[in-house]
Amino acid sequence: GQQLNQSPQSMFIQEGEDVSMNCTSSSIFNTWLWYKQDPGEGPVLLIALYKAGELTSNGRLTAQFGITRKDSFLNISASIPSDVGIYFCAGQRGTQGGSEKLVFGKGTKLTVNP
Amino acid sequence: GAVVSQHPSRVICKSGTSVKIECRSLDFQATTMFWYRQFPKQSLMLMATSNEGSKATYEQGVEKDKFLINHASLTLSTLTVTSAHPEDSSFYICSSDSLANYGYTFGSGTRLTVV
Repeated sequence: GQQLNQSPQSMFIQEGEDVSMNCTSSSIFNTWLWYKQDPGEGPVLLIALYKAGELTSNGRLTAQFGITRKDSFLNISASIPSDVGIYFCAGQRGTQGGSEKLVFGKGTKLTVNP
Repeated sequence: GAVVSQHPSRVICKSGTSVKIECRSLDFQATTMFWYRQFPKQSLMLMATSNEGSKATYEQGVEKDKFLINHASLTLSTLTVTSAHPEDSSFYICSSDSLANYGYTFGSGTRLTVV
Protein backbone atom coordinates (compact mmCIF):
# COMPACT_ATOMS: atom_id res chain seq x y z
CA GLY A 1 0.00 0.00 0.00
CA GLN A 2 0.94 3.65 -0.23
CA GLN A 3 3.28 5.11 2.33
CA LEU A 4 4.37 8.61 3.08
CA ASN A 5 8.03 9.54 2.58
CA GLN A 6 9.34 10.22 6.05
CA SER A 7 12.85 11.41 6.82
CA PRO A 8 15.25 11.03 8.36
CA GLN A 9 15.01 7.33 9.08
CA SER A 10 16.94 7.73 12.31
CA MET A 11 18.53 10.47 14.37
CA PHE A 12 21.14 10.44 17.11
CA ILE A 13 21.27 13.67 19.08
CA GLN A 14 22.51 15.10 22.34
CA GLU A 15 20.12 16.05 25.08
CA GLY A 16 19.08 19.67 24.69
CA GLU A 17 19.35 19.73 20.91
CA ASP A 18 16.43 20.50 18.64
CA VAL A 19 15.05 17.88 16.25
CA SER A 20 13.26 18.18 12.95
CA MET A 21 11.63 15.48 10.84
CA ASN A 22 9.31 15.65 7.88
CA CYS A 23 6.94 13.75 5.66
CA THR A 24 6.10 14.26 2.04
CA SER A 25 3.59 12.80 -0.33
CA SER A 26 2.93 12.88 -4.04
CA SER A 27 -0.77 13.28 -3.36
CA ILE A 28 -2.85 15.58 -1.21
CA PHE A 29 -3.93 14.76 2.33
CA ASN A 30 -6.48 16.80 4.23
CA THR A 31 -5.38 15.67 7.66
CA TRP A 32 -1.87 15.13 8.98
CA LEU A 33 -1.14 13.41 12.25
CA TRP A 34 2.06 12.85 14.19
CA TYR A 35 2.44 9.89 16.54
CA LYS A 36 5.12 8.61 18.89
CA GLN A 37 5.56 4.91 19.55
CA ASP A 38 7.52 3.46 22.45
CA PRO A 39 8.82 -0.14 22.24
CA GLY A 40 6.05 -2.68 22.73
CA GLU A 41 3.34 -0.04 22.80
CA GLY A 42 0.80 1.39 20.42
CA PRO A 43 1.33 4.82 18.86
CA VAL A 44 0.25 7.84 20.85
CA LEU A 45 -1.09 10.92 19.10
CA LEU A 46 1.12 13.99 19.50
CA ILE A 47 -0.35 16.57 17.16
CA ALA A 48 -3.22 16.65 14.67
CA LEU A 49 -3.33 19.12 11.77
CA TYR A 50 -6.45 19.86 9.76
CA LYS A 51 -5.80 23.03 7.76
CA ALA A 52 -3.19 23.75 5.11
CA GLY A 53 -0.60 26.10 6.55
CA GLU A 54 -1.65 25.32 10.12
CA LEU A 55 1.11 25.50 12.72
CA THR A 56 0.32 23.77 15.99
CA SER A 57 2.32 23.34 19.18
CA ASN A 58 2.07 20.85 21.99
CA GLY A 59 4.62 21.72 24.64
CA ARG A 60 8.07 21.36 23.09
CA LEU A 61 6.59 19.92 19.92
CA THR A 62 5.58 21.98 16.92
CA ALA A 63 4.12 20.65 13.70
CA GLN A 64 3.04 22.29 10.49
CA PHE A 65 0.66 21.27 7.73
CA GLY A 66 2.28 22.23 4.43
CA ILE A 67 0.49 24.78 2.30
CA THR A 68 0.40 22.37 -0.64
CA ARG A 69 -1.19 19.71 1.62
CA LYS A 70 1.52 17.31 0.48
CA ASP A 71 3.89 17.64 3.38
CA SER A 72 4.26 18.19 7.10
CA PHE A 73 7.08 18.59 9.56
CA LEU A 74 7.52 17.99 13.27
CA ASN A 75 10.01 19.87 15.43
CA ILE A 76 11.05 18.94 18.94
CA SER A 77 12.87 21.62 20.87
CA ALA A 78 15.32 21.08 23.73
CA SER A 79 15.18 17.29 23.52
CA ILE A 80 15.20 15.18 26.69
CA PRO A 81 15.93 11.46 27.17
CA SER A 82 12.23 10.55 27.31
CA ASP A 83 11.82 11.81 23.74
CA VAL A 84 13.44 8.56 22.63
CA GLY A 85 11.14 6.51 20.44
CA ILE A 86 9.83 6.16 16.93
CA TYR A 87 7.89 9.02 15.44
CA PHE A 88 5.38 8.38 12.69
CA CYS A 89 3.58 10.77 10.44
CA ALA A 90 0.19 9.76 9.12
CA GLY A 91 -2.06 11.28 6.53
CA GLN A 92 -5.74 10.98 5.95
CA ARG A 93 -7.51 12.09 2.82
CA GLY A 94 -10.72 12.80 4.68
CA THR A 95 -11.39 15.81 6.83
CA GLN A 96 -11.64 16.12 10.58
CA GLY A 97 -14.03 13.63 12.09
CA GLY A 98 -13.96 11.25 9.15
CA SER A 99 -13.37 7.56 9.59
CA GLU A 100 -11.04 6.97 6.73
CA LYS A 101 -7.92 4.89 6.96
CA LEU A 102 -4.56 6.44 7.66
CA VAL A 103 -1.48 6.24 5.48
CA PHE A 104 1.73 6.05 7.52
CA GLY A 105 5.31 7.07 7.04
CA LYS A 106 8.05 4.55 7.76
CA GLY A 107 8.98 6.27 10.97
CA THR A 108 11.91 8.22 12.40
CA LYS A 109 13.79 6.54 15.20
CA LEU A 110 15.07 9.11 17.67
CA THR A 111 17.91 8.43 20.07
CA VAL A 112 18.81 11.05 22.66
CA ASN A 113 22.17 10.81 24.40
CA PRO A 114 22.18 12.27 27.92
CA GLY B 1 -9.57 11.21 26.83
CA ALA B 2 -10.46 8.45 24.40
CA VAL B 3 -9.00 5.10 25.41
CA VAL B 4 -8.83 1.85 23.49
CA SER B 5 -8.09 -1.12 25.70
CA GLN B 6 -6.41 -4.02 23.91
CA HIS B 7 -5.92 -7.54 25.32
CA PRO B 8 -3.90 -9.60 25.63
CA SER B 9 -0.69 -7.61 25.55
CA ARG B 10 1.30 -10.68 24.61
CA VAL B 11 0.43 -14.24 23.76
CA ILE B 12 2.35 -17.34 22.79
CA CYS B 13 0.48 -20.08 20.99
CA LYS B 14 1.24 -23.31 19.22
CA SER B 15 1.07 -23.66 15.45
CA GLY B 16 -2.39 -24.58 14.29
CA THR B 17 -4.26 -22.99 17.14
CA SER B 18 -6.36 -19.84 17.05
CA VAL B 19 -5.85 -16.66 19.01
CA LYS B 20 -8.38 -13.93 19.73
CA ILE B 21 -7.38 -10.33 20.30
CA GLU B 22 -9.88 -7.89 21.79
CA CYS B 23 -10.12 -4.14 21.53
CA ARG B 24 -12.58 -2.17 23.61
CA SER B 25 -13.34 1.51 23.45
CA LEU B 26 -13.71 2.55 27.07
CA ASP B 27 -15.23 6.00 26.93
CA PHE B 28 -16.54 6.44 23.43
CA GLN B 29 -18.41 4.54 20.77
CA ALA B 30 -16.13 3.08 18.16
CA THR B 31 -18.10 2.93 14.95
CA THR B 32 -14.98 2.03 13.04
CA MET B 33 -12.01 -0.03 14.18
CA PHE B 34 -8.80 -0.42 12.21
CA TRP B 35 -6.54 -3.44 12.62
CA TYR B 36 -2.82 -3.20 11.90
CA ARG B 37 0.15 -5.49 12.07
CA GLN B 38 3.68 -4.27 12.58
CA PHE B 39 6.87 -6.20 11.95
CA PRO B 40 10.06 -5.28 13.82
CA LYS B 41 11.53 -1.95 12.76
CA GLN B 42 8.74 -1.38 10.28
CA SER B 43 5.74 0.86 10.03
CA LEU B 44 2.14 -0.08 10.66
CA MET B 45 0.41 -1.98 7.90
CA LEU B 46 -3.35 -1.80 7.75
CA MET B 47 -4.95 -5.24 7.62
CA ALA B 48 -8.63 -4.46 7.72
CA THR B 49 -11.29 -1.95 8.65
CA SER B 50 -14.31 -3.04 10.61
CA ASN B 51 -17.57 -1.19 11.05
CA GLU B 52 -20.04 -2.04 13.76
CA GLY B 53 -22.69 -4.40 12.53
CA SER B 54 -21.22 -5.04 9.09
CA LYS B 55 -18.54 -7.12 7.45
CA ALA B 56 -14.96 -5.98 7.65
CA THR B 57 -13.12 -4.61 4.66
CA TYR B 58 -9.76 -6.29 4.15
CA GLU B 59 -6.70 -4.79 2.51
CA GLN B 60 -5.28 -6.44 -0.54
CA GLY B 61 -3.28 -9.53 0.31
CA VAL B 62 -4.86 -10.09 3.72
CA GLU B 63 -6.68 -13.40 4.02
CA LYS B 64 -10.13 -12.78 5.42
CA ASP B 65 -10.59 -16.43 6.38
CA LYS B 66 -7.39 -16.39 8.38
CA PHE B 67 -7.89 -13.07 10.15
CA LEU B 68 -11.48 -13.06 11.34
CA ILE B 69 -12.80 -9.73 12.49
CA ASN B 70 -15.94 -9.23 14.50
CA HIS B 71 -17.34 -5.83 15.42
CA ALA B 72 -20.62 -6.75 17.04
CA SER B 73 -20.97 -3.74 19.28
CA LEU B 74 -19.93 -0.11 19.38
CA THR B 75 -17.41 -0.83 22.12
CA LEU B 76 -15.86 -4.13 21.11
CA SER B 77 -14.00 -5.39 18.08
CA THR B 78 -12.08 -8.67 17.92
CA LEU B 79 -9.44 -10.11 15.64
CA THR B 80 -9.03 -13.87 15.58
CA VAL B 81 -5.93 -15.32 13.99
CA THR B 82 -7.02 -18.78 12.90
CA SER B 83 -4.71 -21.76 12.41
CA ALA B 84 -1.75 -19.63 13.38
CA HIS B 85 1.67 -20.27 11.90
CA PRO B 86 5.08 -18.89 12.88
CA GLU B 87 4.93 -16.35 10.05
CA ASP B 88 1.87 -14.83 11.75
CA SER B 89 4.08 -13.81 14.65
CA SER B 90 3.89 -10.05 14.78
CA PHE B 91 2.69 -7.04 16.73
CA TYR B 92 -1.02 -6.45 16.17
CA ILE B 93 -2.56 -3.08 16.99
CA CYS B 94 -6.11 -1.79 16.82
CA SER B 95 -7.16 1.80 16.37
CA SER B 96 -10.39 3.66 16.40
CA ASP B 97 -11.47 7.19 15.82
CA SER B 98 -13.05 9.35 18.43
CA LEU B 99 -14.67 12.54 17.34
CA ALA B 100 -13.81 14.04 20.67
CA ASN B 101 -10.19 13.11 20.28
CA TYR B 102 -9.89 14.45 16.74
CA GLY B 103 -7.50 11.72 15.87
CA TYR B 104 -7.11 8.02 15.90
CA THR B 105 -6.59 6.34 19.25
CA PHE B 106 -4.50 3.19 19.27
CA GLY B 107 -4.61 0.20 21.55
CA SER B 108 -1.43 -0.81 23.34
CA GLY B 109 -0.81 -3.67 20.94
CA THR B 110 -0.60 -7.47 21.17
CA ARG B 111 2.68 -9.28 20.67
CA LEU B 112 1.80 -12.65 19.11
CA THR B 113 4.40 -15.38 19.01
CA VAL B 114 3.53 -18.62 17.28
CA VAL B 115 5.80 -21.56 18.13
